[in-house]
This record gives sequence, C-alpha cells and structure tokens, in this order.
Amino acid sequence: AQSVAQPEDQVNVAEGNPLTVKCTYSVSGNPYLFWYVQYPNRGLQFLLKYITGDNLVKGSYGFEAEFNKSQTSFHLKKPSALVSDSALYFCAVRDQGVGQAAGNKLTFGGGTRVLVKP
Amino acid sequence: ETGVTQSPTHLIKTRGQQVTLRCSSQSGHNTVSWYQQALGQGPQFIFQYYREEENGRGNFPPRFSGLQFPNYSSELNVNALELDDSALYLCASSFGLAGGGGTGELFFGEGSRLTVL
Repeated sequence: AQSVAQPEDQVNVAEGNPLTVKCTYSVSGNPYLFWYVQYPNRGLQFLLKYITGDNLVKGSYGFEAEFNKSQTSFHLKKPSALVSDSALYFCAVRDQGVGQAAGNKLTFGGGTRVLVKP
Repeated sequence: ETGVTQSPTHLIKTRGQQVTLRCSSQSGHNTVSWYQQALGQGPQFIFQYYREEENGRGNFPPRFSGLQFPNYSSELNVNALELDDSALYLCASSFGLAGGGGTGELFFGEGSRLTVL
C-alpha cells in the first residue's frame, strides 16, 4: 500500500523568508510524486511533479521540490515566500509499479497549512 | 481550453436521501476520477471512470456509484446519505488510464460541497 505523511499541520513564515513544506512517502516500487495547492473553498491546483531524472524539480509560482530516495522524502520549497502563498498544500504519491488497474489513484497526505505573514 | 467543471457547487441533504453530483472533464481528457475531501483532511480516492466503465475503486461502500457518458462527463451518486458523507467532492480529469501522459497528473474541478443534516 502507498502512503504519504506531512508531519506539520501548519507552517508559519515571514514574507521574503524561505519556505519548506515537508513530505515523506511509502510505496512498494518507484514513486510518482506530486504537490498540489488548495486555496479556500477551491479545488486543487497542480504545482509540480517528480517522475524520474533530476532530483530537483521546478514547478509553478517559483516552487521547487527535492526528491530524496534514501530518505523517501519530497519536500516542497520556495526561496522567498509571498503572502499570496498562504494556502493548504498537499503532497501525493502514485506507485509506478502498480499497473493500469490502479488507474489514477493518488494517495494524498493530510495537508499542511502555510501562513505567510507580511 | 475548458477546465473541469462541477455542479452543484453547494448542496444540503438530509440523512437517508440520495444525491447526484456532476462533472465535465477538461477538453481532450477521457478519464475522470472522484475524490472525497472531509474537512481538515486530504482527498480520498473514490473511483475512476475510463471508457464509461469503473476502473479502480477506493475504500468506499457500494452506495457510492458513478457513471461516465460518451462525452466523458461523469456523475457521482451517493445513496442512503449518512452524516459522515458531508465533504467536498472533487472531480479530476486526465487523459488515459495513467493520466497526464502516463504520470498521474490530474486536473481538478472546484468541487461540490455536500452537507448532510
């Protein structure tokens, strides 16, 4: 079974400071990893994904994430946070090793609320 | 390019009633997945539809059912509503079974918020 853990319920950061949102995962094979962001009363917006290749993945709105296979982590980062980055962030995983029968099943973490203060 | 649209955006039902939620997939997408997001939690996979058939199901009882139509739009039906069914129901579309060119990238709608009293 695949699983995702986001150990922090909330992350507070001052505007202009670096932002990190932590994520660890568990899959039986190689993972597809994703970050999504959710603004209040809205659906999920895709930020970035790791499939294979470079461990550092760059995504939308200046976000990036680093895949670390040995630590089974995929932390989301932004060098300089903005007040508008305040939102709920979800890490998700899909097991590459699972066949098409698994379809598009993504397993999401519980989410981390980011609050960027001016 | 038209994104994923869901209706209704909000609805209130009473316990025991039935509800139908609708989703139009993004242009060019032929696969629809449904997720339930309870308050304060991450989305949970309900099921997926591809070529008008259910393909993959999460840990949800049979009273959760769905349909996919030839134009790839989809419905989620929930019978015998329970209080715990109160949640945001998210529809996501993609192309192909694995989605997003085989990588699982999904495109989500804004969701339908269901309240069961």
